[in-house]
This record gives sequence, C-alpha cells and structure tokens, in this order.
Amino acid sequence: GAGVSQSPSNKVTEKGKDVELRCDPISGHTALYWYRQSLGQGLEFLIYFQGNSAPDKSGLPSDRFSAERTGGSVSTLTIQRTQQEDSAVYLCASSLRRAGDGEQFFGPGTRLTVL
Amino acid sequence: AQSVSQHNHHVILSEAASLELGCNYSYGGTVNLFWYVQYPGQHLQLLLKYFSGDPLVKGIKGFEAEFIKSKFSFNLRKPSVQWSDTAEYFCAVILTGGGNKLTFGTGTQLKVEL
Repeated sequence: GAGVSQSPSNKVTEKGKDVELRCDPISGHTALYWYRQSLGQGLEFLIYFQGNSAPDKSGLPSDRFSAERTGGSVSTLTIQRTQQEDSAVYLCASSLRRAGDGEQFFGPGTRLTVL
Repeated sequence: AQSVSQHNHHVILSEAASLELGCNYSYGGTVNLFWYVQYPGQHLQLLLKYFSGDPLVKGIKGFEAEFIKSKFSFNLRKPSVQWSDTAEYFCAVILTGGGNKLTFGTGTQLKVEL
C-alpha cells in the first residue's frame, strides 16, 4: 500500500514568513511523529501524536512551532516567523502501534530553506 | 539526559570488507533499539530492531546487530559489504512501553568502493 507522504517536497521561504508542512500517514496507523534532520545533527524528535490523546510536544524547539493532527490522520506542522536556523529536512513518520512498540515508517521529508 | 552516540561519522570500505558500526546509548530504563538506513535519494527505512530475547538480531540484506546490555551498546555488523550498502546508517533508541520518541544518533555515512 501507499507509504507516508509529505508535501511540499521542497519549500523556500523568506525569514519571518510562516510555513505549513503536511504529512499523510499510512492508513490505519495511529501514531504519528515529526522529526527534524539538520546537517550534521542527526534526527531530532519534535512532536508525537497517538490516537486521540494529547500530543507529546516535548521536542518542539520554540513556541513558533506547532502541529495539528485532524481526524486522527493528516498532520500539519506550522512554523511561524521562520528563522534561518529552521532550515532543515522535516520528516514525518507513522507507526501501527504506539511509540516504542513497533517500526516507524518514514516519509520522504520536506526540505525547508529559510533565506 | 538520554543520548545515542555513533562513533564513526564517515566510513569508507572496499567491497567484501567487513563492517562494524558502533552505537552506544545512555538511558535510564529498558529500551528498544533500532538501526535505520537511508540510501541515497530514498526514505529512512528500518534495517533491524531489538526488543527482547536473543541479543543477536538479524536484519535485511545480511546485516546483524548485537545488544550488549552491560556495555549499553548495539553495534551493527556485516561480514562482507557491497557497493549497494553505500548509505547513511542511524542508530535509534526508545524507552520500552511508554516512551514517545526515538532518539537517534548523528548517523554514519558509509561509502563502499568497488
């Protein structure tokens, strides 16, 4: 079946603008995650959604970052007033079970460049 | 704070050479362990995982990893690498039964030369 999809694949924006990144998880996967991959930094956890539970936002780097997951499926990561240090690849992943119990399936990522 | 360390950032090998990539973690509880791989231009994908049982786990494409609890290590091995193994390899750890986030190492870029 279809994997995790993300859009856009690339986003170039100007400093100070807001951006929205979208993730479509694998159908039936209850858990959804956002990560950020910066050059030389590895992958950094941002936020985790599990079903209808309150999300784990412990990885969000600042209050400029927020995320929603509507209807237990599609998720949107919003970055307000973007800064150059926000430039990175933003990865979304989903899993069938809760975090820690199973494999996470990753999307292709959105490469964000803030000029 | 929990962390994952990958000791080798760049590794260059010739085909048929043996591979061992180091991974050590610092965690305060029982963990599940993973190795993910990202081939050029492709998504991150699972290579292998350890949850419990036999500490020597086998994954796809001839890879294996050994969990040594006393050393907090989960090293990745392959007896004979191929050019197609050129990729970036990430070790990741998550707390068992309640943790919400995978903590990744910084990755090891492996290049296999013909």
